[in-house]
Amino acid sequence: ETVLTQSPATLSLSPGDTATLSCRASQSVSTYLAWYQQHPGQPPRLLIHDASKRATGIPPRFSGSGSGTDFTLTISSLEPEDFAVYYCQQRTNWRWTFGQGTKVELK
Amino acid sequence: QVQLVQSGAEVRKPGTSVMISCQASGFIFSNYYMHWVRQAPGQGLEWMGIINPRGHSPTYAQRFQGRVTMTRDTTTLYMELDSLTSDDTAVYYCVREEGGSYALDWGQGTPVIVSS
Repeated sequence: ETVLTQSPATLSLSPGDTATLSCRASQSVSTYLAWYQQHPGQPPRLLIHDASKRATGIPPRFSGSGSGTDFTLTISSLEPEDFAVYYCQQRTNWRWTFGQGTKVELK
Repeated sequence: QVQLVQSGAEVRKPGTSVMISCQASGFIFSNYYMHWVRQAPGQGLEWMGIINPRGHSPTYAQRFQGRVTMTRDTTTLYMELDSLTSDDTAVYYCVREEGGSYALDWGQGTPVIVSS
């Protein structure tokens, strides 16, 4: 099973700051890596797929990068609605795994 | 627009089973791989399994092997989980796969509480 490790667990930032979230895979996943945002009580929302492609309707302040085992989600100039939990997810041999999440909280 | 409408909340006793449904609309359901993902209270997302567009040969996460069954018909996805324990208390989501690797659309979630 491919394990995804996200860091940090929590990021305390202010509106207007830049958030940098990391996701590391235990083996190469090529670019089969997606990022999701989740607010309390809601299902996750797709932000980024294939490591760097923004999903439809996602603002350009969200960007993804990386390939192989190391990936980054960058949120530039945080808006109030960006404070949430973020998960990375990969696919290997039809099986998915998720990272444990990074919470972006208000400082 | 795409809609995945799941069945309502369930309460079960330990050792029993639960079946959750997910009715799809707004897209050609028979063209898509579908998944189930769950989330225990205060915890992260956990992938449970995938079923192909024809409903053949589902693939399950190892920890659910022998305890979960995923099926589908022309419009609806189903997931049955047996031998429930309190650790199965979670919100269960059906998910539409896109691009062969990611979750484009999510159901609203079905809370399942397992308690004696």
